[in-house]
Amino acid sequence: KAGVTQTPRYLIKTRGQQVTLSCSPISGHRSVSWYQQTPGQGLQFLFEYFSETQRNKGNFPGRFSGRQFSNSRSEMNVSTLELGDSALYLCASSWFSGGGIEFFGPGTRLTVL
Amino acid sequence: QKEVEQDPGPLSVPEGAIVSLNCTYSNSAFQYFMWYRQYSRKGPELLMYTYSSGNKEDGRFTAQVDKSSKYISLFIRDSQPSDSATYLCAMSGGYDTGNQFYFGTGTSLTVIP
Repeated sequence: KAGVTQTPRYLIKTRGQQVTLSCSPISGHRSVSWYQQTPGQGLQFLFEYFSETQRNKGNFPGRFSGRQFSNSRSEMNVSTLELGDSALYLCASSWFSGGGIEFFGPGTRLTVL
Repeated sequence: QKEVEQDPGPLSVPEGAIVSLNCTYSNSAFQYFMWYRQYSRKGPELLMYTYSSGNKEDGRFTAQVDKSSKYISLFIRDSQPSDSATYLCAMSGGYDTGNQFYFGTGTSLTVIP
């Protein structure tokens, strides 16, 4: 069974630009969560989608948004990039919303210059 | 008080040592308990998971859950240099825990050859 995949794996952007990250969950998983990971802050929860609906949202500004498609694939968008947005963005999928076991993708490393 | 507390370390042990990693939590509604291993600049990899209380063993790894004490542990026997990584504990409980996964901050482990 294929794992969680994320594209692209690496991105370099400049301040003010926007970026879209993509995540394909494990087949059959309907919940997709996004996390930001930085050395100083650890794993920070961004939001979670289940069956195309945002079920939970972390404490991030509105520049961070996401969506989920009918095939459970998800995208995350960050607009007006800031230097502090440089991080590893992780996608994780599970069968249930906030329950069971979560599996992570390899992450997208975003660098904002 | 954080939902999940984990000693960040760093922890440094000689090869062959037994390693004990621990997390405490505050919400008695957690039902699923997970341990992830994360190598530098990679996504977290699910190492062990346990449902409710009890022990689970997989090769050199043993996961323990003590729900009465709200305490979980991961033991690594005969530690190897390849075990050098950050170990994250995580837990979930579905609706009763806000439909979210909760993570510790991670413990950095170095196994010295």
